[in-house]
Amino acid sequence: GAVVSQHPSWVICKSGTSVKIECRSLDFQATTMFWYRQFPKQSLMLMATSNEGSKATYEQGVEKDKFLINHASLTLSTLTVTSAHPEDSSFYICSAPAMVSGRARGNEQYFGPGTRLTVT
Amino acid sequence: AQSVSQHNHHVILSEAASLELGCNYSYGGTVNLFWYVQYPGQHLQLLLKYFSGDPLVKGIKGFEAEFIKSKFSFNLRKPSVQWSDTAEYFCAVNAPHSGGYQKVTFGIGTKLQVIP
Repeated sequence: GAVVSQHPSWVICKSGTSVKIECRSLDFQATTMFWYRQFPKQSLMLMATSNEGSKATYEQGVEKDKFLINHASLTLSTLTVTSAHPEDSSFYICSAPAMVSGRARGNEQYFGPGTRLTVT
Repeated sequence: AQSVSQHNHHVILSEAASLELGCNYSYGGTVNLFWYVQYPGQHLQLLLKYFSGDPLVKGIKGFEAEFIKSKFSFNLRKPSVQWSDTAEYFCAVNAPHSGGYQKVTFGIGTKLQVIP
């Protein structure tokens, strides 16, 4: 099946610094990728939809200037948490829909393993 | 906006017991429904999905789910659980979003612990 990787898997940073998280589709192209955030004992919350070659679409309440998303190629999307604060500590997960003939296959998604961010 | 509610947050069962995890969603239109599983230390994997047709869908590892449109439900079942089924299970619904794309909304998840 399709594989989505994330790097790093775990990162600790100091408050005020920026952190970049990469999401790669390893054996398929993804014109769209999704970024989720998961707090402890809570569900995955969609943060934004990353679109290759165009601006990301952010969900209501998500600060686009704080969570910068860049989808530079058909296999890579990055999420940069700028000026991170302790409340940004969370588990960030990306996903990409399965593609068939250039179209999403039934909107079935493949998830990355996640990145745990801890801001001290 | 759609929402998904999972009724059981933590379930503990003995091996060979039957399992049913409840999932209800709110959305008035056509939806796609999913159950995802996350085993300890691993990432989310698709367990089964419903798009159309037979409302009783069968997934991997002996799991099945029944879509009852009148009840807006998509409960997950397994007749006899195994220790290896210990994991967290997420119900999800995929529906059109105002932004012109499909949006997946997840339930809060149910942690299943199977005791040998």
